[in-house]
Amino acid sequence: GQNIDQPTEMTATEGAIVQINCTYQTSGFNGLFWYQQHAGEAPTFLSYNVLDGLEEKGRFSSFLSRSKGYSYLLLKELQMKDSASYLCAVPAGNKLTFGGGTRVLVKP
Amino acid sequence: KAGVTQTPRYLIKTRGQQVTLSCSPISGHRSVSWYQQTPGQGLQFLFEYFSETQRNKGNFPGRFSGRQFSNSRSEMNVSTLELGDSALYLCASSLERAPADTQYFGPGTRLTVL
Repeated sequence: GQNIDQPTEMTATEGAIVQINCTYQTSGFNGLFWYQQHAGEAPTFLSYNVLDGLEEKGRFSSFLSRSKGYSYLLLKELQMKDSASYLCAVPAGNKLTFGGGTRVLVKP
Repeated sequence: KAGVTQTPRYLIKTRGQQVTLSCSPISGHRSVSWYQQTPGQGLQFLFEYFSETQRNKGNFPGRFSGRQFSNSRSEMNVSTLELGDSALYLCASSLERAPADTQYFGPGTRLTVL
């Protein structure tokens, strides 16, 4: 089976950097996804990592270490609109298994 | 290109009734997956369809069922509704067989069971 852990909630200040960690245990590995979900809205795709290392996309970066079963999402230059839940998910057996999500609150 | 659409967006039903939710994937996408999202359990996989065939099913009772049509549109049905079925039901589509390809989510159907 799959087990995915991420912190429940994080608070940060506008303009700062926040790192959201995700650890996973899975039988067979097909990459790791990060999604952003604003309250009351659908999850939107942020990134997909299948190889080790850091991938940068503007203010957002995602890192993967397959040997450690670990990923993180780095949000830089935080903006108020970044207040949302961030979900990591691993695919296995034709389905996505999601972590519980990390709610990020950005304060002025 | 239009995104994933789901209808209806909101639904109120009473216990014991049944409900059918509809999902139209992004044009050209052949895989449709359904998820249930609740505050307590988070996002949980229901089932995935590809080329009108159910390829995988999550850990939900048989009251939850679905199907996919030849145009890739999908429906899910919940029979004998229970209070605990109140949730946001999300569908997601991808180009090929999920989940290797990125899944794009629709806005969801918020179901309230009274």
